[in-house]
Amino acid sequence: GQQLNQSPQSMFIQEGEDVSMNCTSSSIFNTWLWYKQDPGEGPVLLIALYKAGELTSNGRLTAQFGITRKDSFLNISASIPSDVGIYFCAGQLTHQTGANNLFFGTGTRLTVIP
Amino acid sequence: DAGVTQSPTHLIKTRGQQVTLRCSPKSGHDTVSWYQQALGQGPQFIFQYYEEEERQRGNFPDRFSGHQFPNYSSELNVNALLLGDSALYLCASSRQEGTEAFFGQGTRLTVV
Repeated sequence: GQQLNQSPQSMFIQEGEDVSMNCTSSSIFNTWLWYKQDPGEGPVLLIALYKAGELTSNGRLTAQFGITRKDSFLNISASIPSDVGIYFCAGQLTHQTGANNLFFGTGTRLTVIP
Repeated sequence: DAGVTQSPTHLIKTRGQQVTLRCSPKSGHDTVSWYQQALGQGPQFIFQYYEEEERQRGNFPDRFSGHQFPNYSSELNVNALLLGDSALYLCASSRQEGTEAFFGQGTRLTVV
């Protein structure tokens, strides 16, 4: 199956600092999505990217769909304590049946020190 | 507008038993996918339902089965539970023509 490698695995940053994480794959995806997951909760969609090279922002979050369609990055500017959590990238494949499914990265655990 | 809702939130079962998990999709969504998330890992795709049929399946054994009802809600059934089936089970809904999947809060299944 598709392997998505996400880095870094974990980050400890000071409040106010910027954060950058990325995701690489051996396969091409139609869509890249970034999710945040808090303990005991389901993933919450942050940003969706649909075209190679696309750069999209959502508040303090900015994400890009790599030109090769095999990678994506997420930046968080001016981090705050509520940014704490696990961030997952996900690549979406659409099949001939019309079905689509997500392949998730390994996750980046973010800790923000006040 | 209610998002994706799952029930129950927690469940403890004994090895060999069977379990049924339930999911109601977000309003306006007609497609439901199920994922298994082991501790410390990303979610793994189990299968997707649309128009009451399974149309894509991940690498999971036949012990995992599902159903989708006319109102688009869905069930995940797991037979002959193994200790390794302990995980957070996530339901995600989307529109057939859309690409954004929204997740429920999950059901934490513990097999003892």
